[in-house]
Amino acid sequence: EPEVTQTPSHQVTQMGQEVILRCVPISNHLYFYWYRQILGQKVEFLVSFYNNEISEKSEIFDDQFSVERPDGSNFTLKIRSTKLEDSAMYFCASSGDSTGTQYFGPGTRLTVL
Amino acid sequence: GESVGLHLPTLSVQEGDNSIINCAYSNSASDYFIWYKQESGKGPQFIIDIRSNMDKRQGQRVTVLLNKTVKHLSLQIAATQPGDSAVYFCAENRDTNAGKSTFGDGTTLTVKP
Repeated sequence: EPEVTQTPSHQVTQMGQEVILRCVPISNHLYFYWYRQILGQKVEFLVSFYNNEISEKSEIFDDQFSVERPDGSNFTLKIRSTKLEDSAMYFCASSGDSTGTQYFGPGTRLTVL
Repeated sequence: GESVGLHLPTLSVQEGDNSIINCAYSNSASDYFIWYKQESGKGPQFIIDIRSNMDKRQGQRVTVLLNKTVKHLSLQIAATQPGDSAVYFCAENRDTNAGKSTFGDGTTLTVKP
């Protein structure tokens, strides 16, 4: 069964450093998403992406965040200058259409020291 | 602002019993609602969804009920099994918001053998 994959599974970084989280969505999907989940809290939407541009973003997704689909298979989330409060699980998801089922990856645990 | 919340943070049931997990939402403009299951260390997994023009939808061992009058959503799991132990989230979405799902706080379901 096709699945969303994410790398790395765990990323540790120093405050102020840039990180790039990588995702490989399901191959025939066209809509891509990033969510985050701070430990013990609910899942929060960050951004949705379609046709090589951002469709929707939340107030969390400020100028420090960016997304890119550099090739036909990868979807990345970049945080330019990490802060302590960026520590969370980051989930990538993809769907076949904007109202279709979203399939989530296993997540990347980001720890900012 | 919109919010999606759950009535109880934890639920403990005996194996074989039926489970009911509740969710209250505040956005009457929501077009569809989704239930996700999240096991420890994994991303959310789609269980079932329901459009706002429906009041009931059944899947395999699961039923979702929607009461738009009181803005209430429930997930019923029949013959609960130990493998059902997880955190369950409800989420709401609109057809026009590019897949942005708003998640509730989550209910931890524990199934006792």
